[in-house]
Amino acid sequence: GAVVSQHPSRVICKSGTSVKIECRSLDFQATTMFWYRQFPKQSLMLMATSNEGSKATYEQGVEKDKFLINHASLTLSTLTVTSAHPEDSSFYICSAPEGQGDMYSYEQYFGPGTRLTVT
Amino acid sequence: AQSVSQHNHHVILSEAASLELGCNYSYGGTVNLFWYVQYPGQHLQLLLKYLSGDPLVKGIKGFEAEFIKSKFSFNLRKPSVQWSDTAEYFCAGTVNNAGNMLTFGGGTRLMVKP
Repeated sequence: GAVVSQHPSRVICKSGTSVKIECRSLDFQATTMFWYRQFPKQSLMLMATSNEGSKATYEQGVEKDKFLINHASLTLSTLTVTSAHPEDSSFYICSAPEGQGDMYSYEQYFGPGTRLTVT
Repeated sequence: AQSVSQHNHHVILSEAASLELGCNYSYGGTVNLFWYVQYPGQHLQLLLKYLSGDPLVKGIKGFEAEFIKSKFSFNLRKPSVQWSDTAEYFCAGTVNNAGNMLTFGGGTRLMVKP
């Protein structure tokens, strides 16, 4: 099946710094990618929809100036956590549906996640 | 607002026991439903999905789920679990007019004792 990778898998940064997380579709093109956040022992919460060639769509309550998303190409989306604080520590996961056109039924492929720890 | 809920947060079974994990959804339109599994240390993988047609859907590794529209349910079943089924299971859904955006249930952590 299709593969989605994320880099880095783990990152520790100091409070106030910015961290960039990459999400790549390795063997397919994705005009749309999704970014999720997963707190310990909780489910995935959709943060934003990343659209190639246009602005990302953020879910209610997600600060777009804090979580910058750039969908640079059909295989790469980046999430930058700006001015990170300890409360931003979490597990960030991206996904991409394989296919175009009628997207509702396409399977989404998930990346392995990035664990961010802000000290 | 659309939502997906899972009733069981933790389930502990012995090998060979039967499994049923509950999932309910609240959507106004045509719905697509999915079950994902996350094995320890691994990323999410699709077990099965319901798009339309036969409400009984068969997936990988012997799992199946039944879409019951009148009950707004999409419960996951397996007749006989194995130790290797120990994982977290997520029910998720999309509505056809909401793009490909998945809404996840809270997840169910299954532990199978050998």
